[in-house]
Amino acid sequence: AQSVTQLDSQVPVFEEAPVELRCNYSSSVSVYLFWYVQYPNQGLQLLLKYLSGSTLVKGINGFEAEFNKSQTSFHLRKPSVHISDTAEYFCAVSYTGNQFYFGTGTSLTVIP
Amino acid sequence: DAGITQSPRHKVTETGTPVTLRCHQTENHRYMYWYRQDPGHGLRLIHYSYGVKDTDKGEVSDGYSVSRSKTEDFLLTLESATSSQTSVYFCAISGDNYEQYFGPGTRLTVT
Repeated sequence: AQSVTQLDSQVPVFEEAPVELRCNYSSSVSVYLFWYVQYPNQGLQLLLKYLSGSTLVKGINGFEAEFNKSQTSFHLRKPSVHISDTAEYFCAVSYTGNQFYFGTGTSLTVIP
Repeated sequence: DAGITQSPRHKVTETGTPVTLRCHQTENHRYMYWYRQDPGHGLRLIHYSYGVKDTDKGEVSDGYSVSRSKTEDFLLTLESATSSQTSVYFCAISGDNYEQYFGPGTRLTVT
């Protein structure tokens, strides 16, 4: 079965510090990769996606992610976090563009 | 924001009763999905639809059925609700760009 692993369930970080949220997926075949953010009591919102082309993908709110095929990873980064970035972050993979598999989520807490 | 609504937003029901959740979209997207979100499990796909009357099972489909008689509506039915189906249910849609857009969620409690 296809799977997505988010290695950290909780990540606390001080405001204005950099952060990396890790994501690995199970297969090295052609994939589409996504990061979503979920604020409390809301649905998920797309942060960024990788479909093809450049392995460094830039998204909204200053986030970026790098696709590494050899390591089957798609880690999310931000150079300087804000209080408003406190949320749950989900990595997702699709092999067909029609079905999506989600990780268990990483709770990012930004400490003032 | 993508035009997706879910109803009801909150529901409390008793074990053994049928429950239907509705997802409505105004984007005319082909694909519609039902997920459940539980702590420690992330989002898990229940069923999805790739067109009117075309549906398929996801990884946690047992105890759930779906119907899609119109492009804009995707219904999720729990034929006989159980406590294990207490969860937050999200509907999502996607088009040709592989992006999913999520509804606001329905919080279902089965007592």
